[in-house]
Amino acid sequence: EPEVTQTPSHQVTQMGQEVILRCVPISNHLYFYWYRQILGQKVEFLVSFYNNEISEKSEIFDDQFSVERPDGSNFTLKIRSTKLEDSAMYFCAARGGKAYEQYFGPGTRLTVT
Amino acid sequence: AQTVTQSQPEMSVQEAETVTLSCTYDTSENNYYLFWYKQPPSRQMILVIRQEAYKQQNATENRFSVNFQKAAKSFSLKISDSQLGDTAMYFCAFMKPDLTGANSKLTFGKGITLSVRP
Repeated sequence: EPEVTQTPSHQVTQMGQEVILRCVPISNHLYFYWYRQILGQKVEFLVSFYNNEISEKSEIFDDQFSVERPDGSNFTLKIRSTKLEDSAMYFCAARGGKAYEQYFGPGTRLTVT
Repeated sequence: AQTVTQSQPEMSVQEAETVTLSCTYDTSENNYYLFWYKQPPSRQMILVIRQEAYKQQNATENRFSVNFQKAAKSFSLKISDSQLGDTAMYFCAFMKPDLTGANSKLTFGKGITLSVRP
């Protein structure tokens, strides 16, 4: 199975700064997701994206968050003004049309100082 | 809303032995999917095994198999012939597919830390 890739692997930013996390899904995948995992805690759903629009989002995904797939390839998560509590591992996941398995990228560790 | 419970925070097993990781879930749905994901120290999330709720037969993938008890809402993972590389956190996850397939988010349990001893 081809890999989902994410960049950067680690991002350090100051509180209040904007960050953009990037994901390159597998080419024939249609459904895209962002999850986050605060250190030592469970993985939490943030948002799902299909057909160039958000299909579902969680309570965590407030106005500070946005997603887009600007060039039909990269899938990005933007946090407009980061807070200390945004420090977490952010995972991108993708899946194809018929199968329900979601394949995860290696994650981006975001550290907000 | 669906919930997934993994009540054992950690387990330890001797290399080459068998270990079972427990998971229960709560849902009113009849059609759903269950997954086990492995997260090694690298923190990559790796799909281990999948089970469709409509299938009575338990899924198997090499040394990994599940015991799916739909009525009891239980979904345990059995790892046979444990290897050092199996040391990781293991997450149980639930997914309810919707009609469009777009809103198929995963709901995870808290995870269990498995240590394989040499």
